[in-house]
Amino acid sequence: DAGITQSPRHKVTETGTPVTLRCHQTENHRYMYWYRQDPGHGLRLIHYSYGVKDTDKGEVSDGYSVSRSKTEDFLLTLESATSSQTSVYFCAIRSEHHNYGYTFGSGTRLTVV
Amino acid sequence: KQEVTQIPAALSVPEGENLVLNCSFTDSAIYNLQWFRQDPGKGLTSLLLIQSSQREQTSGRLNASLDKSSGRSTLYIAASQPGDSATYLCAVRSGTNAGKSTFGDGTTLTVKP
Repeated sequence: DAGITQSPRHKVTETGTPVTLRCHQTENHRYMYWYRQDPGHGLRLIHYSYGVKDTDKGEVSDGYSVSRSKTEDFLLTLESATSSQTSVYFCAIRSEHHNYGYTFGSGTRLTVV
Repeated sequence: KQEVTQIPAALSVPEGENLVLNCSFTDSAIYNLQWFRQDPGKGLTSLLLIQSSQREQTSGRLNASLDKSSGRSTLYIAASQPGDSATYLCAVRSGTNAGKSTFGDGTTLTVKP
């Protein structure tokens, strides 16, 4: 989608290795989010950010960490990947202005073998 | 804790039919509600955003309504087309603009030619 890109789009990694997913925005929005989407569980919030260096945990944060050193970039790191972290990961951005909702990226399909 | 339910999980209709998708939520203290469309293997595309003070929003053949007192939102699609086939999700933001959103699991719509 315009204004938000995720990389990589696909990744296969081995159990126990660290993995970093990147979300980049050109909208200068304050809020950024990482979700995972799994069959039977819907979209679940992993971590979110409400400004540079300001982050907080979501409902499924165990095994994940995030960093936001610049407004435009929000990184999600799987510290030691496990098979249960095989999923599709979506980044979303949102303006602090009340009339705006979420804009989602195209997703990263991660497979942990 | 906010809970969001979308029933039915799947719906199949013939082309040209008008249809209604449902989104129910348990806590009426919402800030806004957003409807999305998701095509297979793709990200979420925003369709409509309704603020808590609004009753409905319209975009083309789509009309979304909100009834906070009954904890319900509906997405009306007029004159359905095969291109409308997708999964439709609703997201309910609770409390304030800084509040988190809870997503429903979606309704998968198939429009048959």
